[in-house]
Amino acid sequence: QKEVEQDPGPLSVPEGAIVSLNCTYSNSAFQYFMWYRQYSRKGPELLMYTYSSGNKEDGRFTAQVDKSSKYISLFIRDSQPSDSATYLCAMTSSGTYKYIFGTGTRLKVLA
Amino acid sequence: ETGVTQTPRHLVMGMTNKKSLKCEQHLGHNAMYWYKQSAKKPLELMFVYNFKEQTENNSVPSRFSPECPNSSHLFLHLHTLQPEDSALYLCASSQAVDRSKHTEAFFGQGTRLTVV
Repeated sequence: QKEVEQDPGPLSVPEGAIVSLNCTYSNSAFQYFMWYRQYSRKGPELLMYTYSSGNKEDGRFTAQVDKSSKYISLFIRDSQPSDSATYLCAMTSSGTYKYIFGTGTRLKVLA
Repeated sequence: ETGVTQTPRHLVMGMTNKKSLKCEQHLGHNAMYWYKQSAKKPLELMFVYNFKEQTENNSVPSRFSPECPNSSHLFLHLHTLQPEDSALYLCASSQAVDRSKHTEAFFGQGTRLTVV
């Protein structure tokens, strides 16, 4: 079993839709959770960073962490064609420098 | 423009060549990382340096040799690579005082490496 599971997509939605991206994980020690956006031929760009459980909102983006279910989500409201990219989840724990990444979900927002 | 700069952006090298990838971070961070990104695979951690000391070597073949002369610069020296080493090589940095505390990692744009 992979430490982090993420549906590779592609996920196609119409402009203006609410997008839900998810990751599940197996290591209960993970405490720090990140979402990155990666455009084609570019490096990953940090979108959201959360510690432990709960929600965090930044503009159109909301990150949710449910540690009891080992499940994290990224919601994008009012999606735009410019949101079309690959979204990577990442997580880590105390006691290590290793960030574990999902494979990424490719999102296409259609105009 | 990110606070982490990688050069070159693209590199084509033969299997007998020796080349180096360079990374520089302008964020005042103390930890630096090399990751490998291949198609349809998660990012693979290769090396971690904290305060210039190597803290992780994720079973990387010896044809990849990292060097960290200071907290702002990181190199990846390449020699006798194989075609399967073709990938996007990403450098990242973070502020990690020690293993008990974390901040988010920031990435450079990557070097697209093709081994022919």
